[in-house]
Amino acid sequence: QKEVEQNSGPLSVPEGAIASLNCTYSDRGSQSFFWYRQYSGKSPELIMFIYSNGDKEDGRFTAQLNKASQYVSLLIRDSQPSDSATYLCAVSPKAGTASKLTFGTGTRLQVTL
Amino acid sequence: DAEITQSPRHKITETGRQVTLACHQTWNHNNMFWYRQDLGHGLRLIHYSYGVQDTNKGEVSDGYSVSRSNTEDLPLTLESAASSQTSVYFCASQPSRELTDTQYFGPGTRLTVL
Repeated sequence: QKEVEQNSGPLSVPEGAIASLNCTYSDRGSQSFFWYRQYSGKSPELIMFIYSNGDKEDGRFTAQLNKASQYVSLLIRDSQPSDSATYLCAVSPKAGTASKLTFGTGTRLQVTL
Repeated sequence: DAEITQSPRHKITETGRQVTLACHQTWNHNNMFWYRQDLGHGLRLIHYSYGVQDTNKGEVSDGYSVSRSNTEDLPLTLESAASSQTSVYFCASQPSRELTDTQYFGPGTRLTVL
């Protein structure tokens, strides 16, 4: 079992819709969770992080964390073609640290016109 | 502007050769990381450093080495390149280990081992 699992996609959503990206993790001791966006041929860039159960909103992005279910998700509202990219989920074992990240393989999102 | 750079951006080498990939950051960040990215595996941590003279093995360190002689640079050396090391390599830096400290990634080096 992979430590961090994501559906590889592609996930196709129409412009203006909500895209829902999911991630599960196996280490119950994981404390911090990150979402990175990676455009084709480019390097990953951090979108947001979450470490408390519940929702965290930043503009059109909402991260959701459920530690009991070992599940973290990213919602993108009003999806735009520029959101088309691969979204990487990353997990850190230690609270209060962004080091030693374990990444999922990523979900490719396609936003169609 | 401060930045993180990698060189070369593309490299083709032969099996058995020693290869060094450079990573340079001008942010004065303490932490630096090397990852490789392969289809089906995502980003995997090779080595990392929390400061000068500090180096640590990551998940896939066999066949790789790093040294940290100053804050700005963390070169990655493939001692004897193997075809299995064909990959895209990303360097990243981070100010410290605080949660709010983002890892900033370099542009990547595409390495092909023939």
